[in-house]
Amino acid sequence: AQSVTQLDSQVPVFEEAPVELRCNYSSSVSVYLFWYVQYPNQGLQLLLKYLSGSTLVKGINGFEAEFNKSQTSFHLRKPSVHISDTAEYFCAVSDGGGGATNKLIFGTGTLLAVQP
Amino acid sequence: KAGVTQTPRYLIKTRGQQVTLSCSPISGHRSVSWYQQTPGQGLQFLFEYFSETQRNKGNFPGRFSGRQFSNSRSEMNVSTLELGDSALYLCASSFAGTGRTDTQYFGPGTRLTVL
Repeated sequence: AQSVTQLDSQVPVFEEAPVELRCNYSSSVSVYLFWYVQYPNQGLQLLLKYLSGSTLVKGINGFEAEFNKSQTSFHLRKPSVHISDTAEYFCAVSDGGGGATNKLIFGTGTLLAVQP
Repeated sequence: KAGVTQTPRYLIKTRGQQVTLSCSPISGHRSVSWYQQTPGQGLQFLFEYFSETQRNKGNFPGRFSGRQFSNSRSEMNVSTLELGDSALYLCASSFAGTGRTDTQYFGPGTRLTVL
């Protein structure tokens, strides 16, 4: 079964500094990866996704992620963060299980805390 | 296009009661999935429905059930509520249910508190 590891439970960073949120997944023949963001008292919003093709994926709000198959990683980056980026970020992998399904396996989340 | 809607947004119940949560997917979406989010266990998959059929189920007891109607709206039911069922219940919809390549869009969730 697929699994996702987000090693950092919390990442403090100053405003306008760069940030990287780490995500590693268990190896599979093919994998589809997602980053979602959750603001307080809200649902999940899709930031970006990797399905195939270019390993560098660009998403909304200036975020990007790089798929690295050899390191089984899908780290999320932003060159300059804003206070409004303070939220919880979840990495997820689609678990096909050999059949058609939309089941997502989520990491434990990383709280990005942007300080002025 | 309207997003995924969930009703009610907040619920307070007592142990032993049952509860029904509702989810209306984005228009045209046929797949609806449910997730439970708690501080201790994080985000966990409950089940997925596609064309009124349960296609996948997570590791939850039989007290958790769901269904999908012909208009793709879905409901989930939890019977004999326990304190540990207190959580944010999230619904997600996707278009064609083709599996891994289908992006899921989440609703705002229903916050269930069991006293």
